[in-house]
Amino acid sequence: DAGVIQSPRHEVTEMGQEVTLRCKPISGHNSLFWYRQTMMRGLELLIYFNNNVPIDDSGMPEDRFSAKMPNASFSTLKIQPSEPRDSAVYFCASSLEGDQPQHFGDGTRLSIL
Amino acid sequence: KQEVTQIPAALSVPEGENLVLNCSFTDSAIYNLQWFRQDPGKGLTSLLLIQSSQREQTSGRLNASLDKSSGRSTLYIAASQPGDSATYLCAVNSGNTPLVFGKGTRLSVIA
Repeated sequence: DAGVIQSPRHEVTEMGQEVTLRCKPISGHNSLFWYRQTMMRGLELLIYFNNNVPIDDSGMPEDRFSAKMPNASFSTLKIQPSEPRDSAVYFCASSLEGDQPQHFGDGTRLSIL
Repeated sequence: KQEVTQIPAALSVPEGENLVLNCSFTDSAIYNLQWFRQDPGKGLTSLLLIQSSQREQTSGRLNASLDKSSGRSTLYIAASQPGDSATYLCAVNSGNTPLVFGKGTRLSVIA
């Protein structure tokens, strides 16, 4: 049974470039979450979707960040243009419903030079 | 705004010891509380979920308790093993709001 799949696992790019992170949730899960983890701030929710619809994007830092969920099996988080302060580990998680246990992917380690 | 605090930030114990990790939250109106484990370079693995109406949950050597009125939870690990070394995170869910995480306790169990 495949878990949450994220790609790429690592991304190194120069500031100003567009970055796209991808997530495939567990089949049958209705809720999908994007988190960012840094040493300073810990794990922070960026946005979450329920049935492919964005419910709460108040954690998205600024307009440079955008997220989409075109269907139940795929979501993207895009940063354009990227900045060094965006460097972090980005996690995707899914759950059956918003209040059920969340299953996490292994994350994307993003470094913006 | 819900805030979750975990103490201590790091803990080192010899193998075989029983230990307790602490979690506190500022708003007691929670729906459930979860404990997660995170290994280096990996995502989070859910260990235990306690509904607001429950007092504790057990899984193997792990026992999590919840005192909602005082805004506290503890994770008890019995007979610790080197394989238990990881970061343990506590998170609370207030119904329709997403999980709010603590910054975790980094545990090292020394053989």
